[in-house]
Amino acid sequence: GAGVSQSPSNKVTEKGKDVELRCDPISGHTALYWYRQSLGQGLEFLIYFQGNSAPDKSGLPSDRFSAERTGGSVSTLTIQRTQQEDSAVYLCASSSPSLSYEQYFGPGTRLTVT
Amino acid sequence: AQSVTQLDSQVPVFEEAPVELRCNYSSSVSVYLFWYVQYPNQGLQLLLKYLSGSTLVESINGFEAEFNKSQTSFHLRKPSVHISDTAEYFCAVSEGDFNKFYFGSGTKLNVKP
Repeated sequence: GAGVSQSPSNKVTEKGKDVELRCDPISGHTALYWYRQSLGQGLEFLIYFQGNSAPDKSGLPSDRFSAERTGGSVSTLTIQRTQQEDSAVYLCASSSPSLSYEQYFGPGTRLTVT
Repeated sequence: AQSVTQLDSQVPVFEEAPVELRCNYSSSVSVYLFWYVQYPNQGLQLLLKYLSGSTLVESINGFEAEFNKSQTSFHLRKPSVHISDTAEYFCAVSEGDFNKFYFGSGTKLNVKP
């Protein structure tokens, strides 16, 4: 079946530009997570959506980062005024309580800020 | 906040040798524990998990991990590794609400012939 998809797979942008990263979770999964993986680092939690509840935004590193999830499905992570330190792989995962929250990860978007 | 430590960034090992990948977490509150694996050029996928019950959990490909509450550890072991086990392994912890998962920095297992 279809897994989690993310687009674009690679994004190169100039410092100061805004970028949007997209995540399509597995159909029926109510939970959606965004992570950031910098070179040589582990996964850094960014934000969590569960159903219609208010998202847990506690991991967003600055107010330049925001995310939304429309209709409980597709999610978009937006980074405004990108900085070089934003360069990383951004991973999306989806899950469901019925799966004991086993996370299914997408392939990631590699963001390079020049 | 919870922190997860994987002390070994790289573990080289010969095929058919045993291996242990270490994982320690900081908080002693009720936790759920996971190991994820990322094979070359693939996405992360669940290897095994501890939610409750037996402290020893196993995967379908011969890995096992033991939850040790007193040592706040969840080390991953395999008695005999294969070339195909070459991958990066990530330990993850959730504090019971599944809102947030804390990941370690990963251990690259390199199995040599």
